Amino acid sequence: DAKTTQPTSMDCAEGRAANLPCNHSTISGNEYVYWYRQIHSQGPQYIIHGLKNNETNEMASLIITEDRKSSTLILPHATLRDTAVYYCIVRVVAAGNKLTFGGGTRVLVKP
Amino acid sequence: GAVVSQHPSWVICKSGTSVKIECRSLDFQATTMFWYRQFPKQSLMLMATSNEGSKATYEQGVEKDKFLINHASLTLSTLTVTSAHPEDSSFYICSADVPGVNTEAFFGQGTRLTVV
Repeated sequence: DAKTTQPTSMDCAEGRAANLPCNHSTISGNEYVYWYRQIHSQGPQYIIHGLKNNETNEMASLIITEDRKSSTLILPHATLRDTAVYYCIVRVVAAGNKLTFGGGTRVLVKP
Repeated sequence: GAVVSQHPSWVICKSGTSVKIECRSLDFQATTMFWYRQFPKQSLMLMATSNEGSKATYEQGVEKDKFLINHASLTLSTLTVTSAHPEDSSFYICSADVPGVNTEAFFGQGTRLTVV
């Protein structure tokens, strides 16, 4: 699986958009970009995934660059409950769909 | 979304005893489940892939005789930590894919194991 690089931590203001970057420069053509988050002492929660087109759902938007070497997760209006560790993962379809977690970004939403 | 349930949520056991953790897919059948371990302030580390009706596939460095995995049905996988020691204290998490291509994985709520 391709590795991902994320900032260790970031703060954002409640009510503002939070933009979480992720680099995956070695991503291959059949790998999707997945985002999960983990709130303290809970199991990870799926947020969104995409291949090359931008995606949006009720939780977030995913912007993938044209060369697919990086992506940005956007939380449009961060709330205090969005405080969590956010993981960007690229996933090999053929490898039993396993997810390999990197260090993630610890996001603290402040009032 | 699909629901994956783990039991128990937390457990305290004495050193040298064995502990079983269950992972159930409540509203779908999962031919493959995954077991992760997470130490404080660290990321999730994949321990093994649990395959229904066959032997689990363990990641490098994970002792298969210590972490016994059984996946006897399409909705249940179990992880047994045998002869537990304090260094096995950790947060254990399972996940399962809803059948399909590139669907999201759903995770259980995790089990906090403390060995005293």
